[in-house]
Amino acid sequence: AQTVTQSQPEMSVQEAETVTLSCTYDTSESDYYLFWYKQPPSRQMILVIRQEAYKQQNATENRFSVNFQKAAKSFSLKISDSQLGDAAMYFCAYYGSGGSNYKLTFGKGTLLTVNP
Amino acid sequence: NAGVTQTPKFQVLKTGQSMTLQCAQDMNHNSMYWYRQDPGMGLRLIYYSASEGTTDKGEVPNGYNVSRLNKREFSLRLESAAPSQTSVYFCASSGGTSGILDTQYFGPGTRLTVL
Repeated sequence: AQTVTQSQPEMSVQEAETVTLSCTYDTSESDYYLFWYKQPPSRQMILVIRQEAYKQQNATENRFSVNFQKAAKSFSLKISDSQLGDAAMYFCAYYGSGGSNYKLTFGKGTLLTVNP
Repeated sequence: NAGVTQTPKFQVLKTGQSMTLQCAQDMNHNSMYWYRQDPGMGLRLIYYSASEGTTDKGEVPNGYNVSRLNKREFSLRLESAAPSQTSVYFCASSGGTSGILDTQYFGPGTRLTVL
């Protein structure tokens, strides 16, 4: 079974600085997708960024980018120029194309605090 | 355009009671989902509905039933609540035909406590 591990329960960053959140996963599949979701205090889950495993280029969405290391099974999220609104719980998630079309496996999350 | 709405926002039940969590979306999405989130955990899929009239079990379906009433609404029922079902429940929806690869839009969640 696939597993997703987020080894940092909590992280903090100063406003305007850069922070990297770690995620590793375990899978025997070759075709899969990885996601980062943000859950602010409002509790609503928001998709931040996604990466297709077959793409070597790292995904980028404005201030959010990933460092995808397929051989190491690592998928970290970098937040540049951190803003107060970035404070949230961040979840890494995995989807394997060989499994159910509707099953995401989530990590336990990293709570990010942004200090003014 | 309200997106995905859920009712109620909070609920306290006694063991053995039943209740239905309501979810509605106004984005004309085909797929809808129910997740639960336990403390310190990510989301786990309870049930999903790929289209109106169809439902399928997810990762943790035991103790739950669902109804896809129409394209807009997808309800989750607890027939006999147990303390292990204390959790935050999220409904989500997505358009397209690619299942989980379509962007999911989440509701604000329902915090359920079973005593």
